Amino acid sequence: DAGVIQSPRHEVTEMGQEVTLRCKPISGHNSLFWYRQTMMRGLELLIYFNNNVPIDDSGMPEDRFSAKMPNASFSTLKIQPSEPRDSAVYFCASSFSGTLSYEQYFGPGTRLTVT
Amino acid sequence: GENVEQHPSTLSVQEGDSAVIKCTYSDSASNYFPWYKQELGKGPQLIIDIRSNVGEKKDQRIAVTLNKTAKHFSLHITETQPEDSAVYFCAARVFNKFYFGSGTKLNVKP
Repeated sequence: DAGVIQSPRHEVTEMGQEVTLRCKPISGHNSLFWYRQTMMRGLELLIYFNNNVPIDDSGMPEDRFSAKMPNASFSTLKIQPSEPRDSAVYFCASSFSGTLSYEQYFGPGTRLTVT
Repeated sequence: GENVEQHPSTLSVQEGDSAVIKCTYSDSASNYFPWYKQELGKGPQLIIDIRSNVGEKKDQRIAVTLNKTAKHFSLHITETQPEDSAVYFCAARVFNKFYFGSGTKLNVKP
C-alpha cells in the first residue's frame, strides 16, 4: 500500500485566498483524521471522520475551516478565506477503528504558508 | 478531555547509550498508547505501541512500558544510533481520538 497520500506537499498563498488540501487514506481504513502542527501548539486534532461521517469537529478553529469526506478514499480540508496565522503543516492520518486494530498512520503533510 | 504530558522536551545522548522518554495521561479510559518518530520534513511514523492490557512490549532496540495505575508510559531506546535522532511523540487514544504529547527532540551524538 502507498500509505496515506496528501496533496499538495507545499502550498503558498496570499491572505484571503481559498486553500484546499487533499487526502487519500489507506485502503480499508474507516477513520480519517486531520491534524495541524505548529511549533507553538504542537499536533492538534482538527476533525475526524468515521465511515465518512464527521464525528468530532471540535478542533476546527473557526468557520473559515471546513472538511468533507465524500467517499471512503478521499477527503478535503478547506480554508476560506486564509489568514497568515493558518500557516502550519497539515497532516492527514487514517486508521481502522475496530477492536483488533487501533494503529493510526500519517501522511507526509502539506506545508501551508499564507502571506 | 485527555491530557498527555511528555518529558523531557530535549534529550541528548552519546551513540550507544540508552534514551528514555516519559509520558503521563489523565483519562483512565485511554486504552492504546502509540509512539511516533518524526524526522524533519516528514509525517510522524508509528514505531511501537502498547494496549492498556499489556505492561511491556519490545521490538528490537525499542521498548515501551505502561503503568496503568500511575497513568504513565515510557519509551526506551537502547544502543542508540545517529539515525535515531528525531522528534518523538507519545499519544493516548480515548474513544477513537488521539491526544499527543508535546514531543521530545532526541539528539544522538556520534
